[in-house]
Amino acid sequence: GAVVSQHPSWVICKSGTSVKIECRSLDFQATTMFWYRQFPKQSLMLMATSNEGSKATYEQGVEKDKFLINHASLTLSTLTVTSAHPEDSSFYICSAGMITDTQYFGPGTRLTVL
Amino acid sequence: EDQVTQSPEALRLQEGESSSLNCSYTVSGLRGLFWYRQDPGKGPEFLFTLYSAGEEKEKERLKATLTKKESFLHITAPKPEDSATYLCAVQGPNYGGSQGNLIFGKGTKLSVKP
Repeated sequence: GAVVSQHPSWVICKSGTSVKIECRSLDFQATTMFWYRQFPKQSLMLMATSNEGSKATYEQGVEKDKFLINHASLTLSTLTVTSAHPEDSSFYICSAGMITDTQYFGPGTRLTVL
Repeated sequence: EDQVTQSPEALRLQEGESSSLNCSYTVSGLRGLFWYRQDPGKGPEFLFTLYSAGEEKEKERLKATLTKKESFLHITAPKPEDSATYLCAVQGPNYGGSQGNLIFGKGTKLSVKP
């Protein structure tokens, strides 16, 4: 139980294009989903928290117009990196869970912007 | 400022050589402490949740304990397949209005040689 999937697992795109990453909770309903970013040899940094049916809450320093988050249902959240640039290349990981409960993480998406 | 410090940064063990990983934390109002395992290029895999001082949980060769200031992850007779980065995270009160946020340590990279 508690399986979270992400799609795609890796993506390469040209600078200036937009990329959408999907996060799905496969066997449970998640009222809250979280998006993290992880640089090589560093720990996870929270980007934003999204609640089903409401606007996402972004962490300080994260551009909400660049990283668009939609949490359309209790099992799906999407992160769109708009007008991606090489500095956006990173490992993006989502997690899903209840607010006061354990977070279960997806396998991650490796984004490379050329 | 709430923070999580893990030590050591890296640990090399021989197969069968038991040891412990440390996670020290400062947080105002701990709601939960979490241990995850992360393999290279993958998302964190949930191991344990601890809620109160004195609590212990076990899973195969792993045992997690919690005090008011730190948590230990004890590894008994490790095997090469236990090699991974082990992450500790704490969940405190609302951070900047976002509920359920986790603050991660930088992790301990464990290598177990046969």
